[in-house]
Amino acid sequence: ETGVTQSPTHLIKTRGQQVTLRCSSQSGHNTVSWYQQALGQGPQFIFQYYREEENGRGNFPPRFSGLQFPNYSSELNVNALELDDSALYLCASSVTGQEKLFFGSGTQLSVL
Amino acid sequence: RKEVEQDPGPFNVPEGATVAFNCTYSNSASQSFFWYRQDCRKEPKLLMSVYSSGNEDGRFTAQLNRASQYISLLIRDSKLSDSATYLCVVTWAGGFKTIFGAGTRLFVKA
Repeated sequence: ETGVTQSPTHLIKTRGQQVTLRCSSQSGHNTVSWYQQALGQGPQFIFQYYREEENGRGNFPPRFSGLQFPNYSSELNVNALELDDSALYLCASSVTGQEKLFFGSGTQLSVL
Repeated sequence: RKEVEQDPGPFNVPEGATVAFNCTYSNSASQSFFWYRQDCRKEPKLLMSVYSSGNEDGRFTAQLNRASQYISLLIRDSKLSDSATYLCVVTWAGGFKTIFGAGTRLFVKA
């Protein structure tokens, strides 16, 4: 077990709705990254949070947004859901300066 | 060109076989390299880091060629339990930028 927890594990939404996914990082880890993984693809980097600030962003539109809290936990928010947003959303925690990522078990999002 | 490219697979091998996966990366500023393993619809888990000098962990050997921007993973004496997707991972900017390859699926059959 990595100590990274994500909730919920599964979620079904309809187009146009909004969703919030949550992640608790491993104890001692101050950096959280979010990834989107479509079926048959590798994880795609969405963004990373460090010290409650977005520290880097992949090629995702502004309707993907996030937060990091003082306890280093994090949220991923997606507005105006589209069918193509259906994927496994992975949260990974790490320690600044150490590049190894520890993943949670993910949230499977289905958009109908 | 994708930043990290892997053999598309899938690889179907019998138990006991030796199998090699290849990965190339485009950013010459890349700093650290890893192989992750991902079981079906589970989260990726770190398998091993990759160093220029080459490194070995039991049946697994990883190699990095910075000049060719190429990474490899060799699995010897394949086991049924090695069946999974193997993800090549490249980082730079002190770990603040991490890119995954699309993964190579391995099926080991009895």
